[in-house]
Amino acid sequence: DTEVTQTPKHLVMGMTNKKSLKCEQHMGHRAMYWYKQKAKKPPELMFVYSYEKLSINESVPSRFSPECPNSSLLNLHLHALQPEDSALYLCASSQVVRGRAKNIQYFGAGTRLSVL
Amino acid sequence: ELKVEQNPLFLSMQEGKNYTIYCNYSTTSDRLYWYRQDPGKSLESLFVLLSNGAVKQEGRLMASLDTKARLSTLHITAAVHDLSATYFCAVPRGRGTSGSRLTFGEGTQLTVNP
Repeated sequence: DTEVTQTPKHLVMGMTNKKSLKCEQHMGHRAMYWYKQKAKKPPELMFVYSYEKLSINESVPSRFSPECPNSSLLNLHLHALQPEDSALYLCASSQVVRGRAKNIQYFGAGTRLSVL
Repeated sequence: ELKVEQNPLFLSMQEGKNYTIYCNYSTTSDRLYWYRQDPGKSLESLFVLLSNGAVKQEGRLMASLDTKARLSTLHITAAVHDLSATYFCAVPRGRGTSGSRLTFGEGTQLTVNP
């Protein structure tokens, strides 16, 4: 099973709303990622969690707040977003191993977010 | 700063034809990933290339890696309509064990016409 599940699939929110995106995996992966993907563009890394601790923040604005409550779950809390934040938000997970491991990232189907 | 360039960005080809997508990257890396994305869908892992000279094949797709030239190719043999998708190459930045920071190429949007 290489499934990463994201909810909701679609989300429309106003600029004053607070909402959360959820991501779940049961592959035993200890690295989890959030990416943002605009239309016709490649995914851009936002955050990396390793062993439930934030290890990488790619200078993401504070209106995006990640959370990793346990090894299977990853959340992205959204507050006071701007219309330009509208995008597909992808979650991914991978093993954390040393050396020449494959370290493939497995992606969820994404949440398509529209900010009005 | 790591840059990953793919070309072509758009590729329209006829069924049964062969073609190659190229992925160049700017800094040393010992591995490279290829992903496929269908419209509105997630990214699907196609290949992981772990060493210089690595070659992987799956069906009508074959990927190779030349780490000295910093070049990977994705070769399509006798294309079929089902291969229509966007193909991304991705290169990890850094050597940390805390998870890979992937930098993706711009993607090659492939359309296979009957």
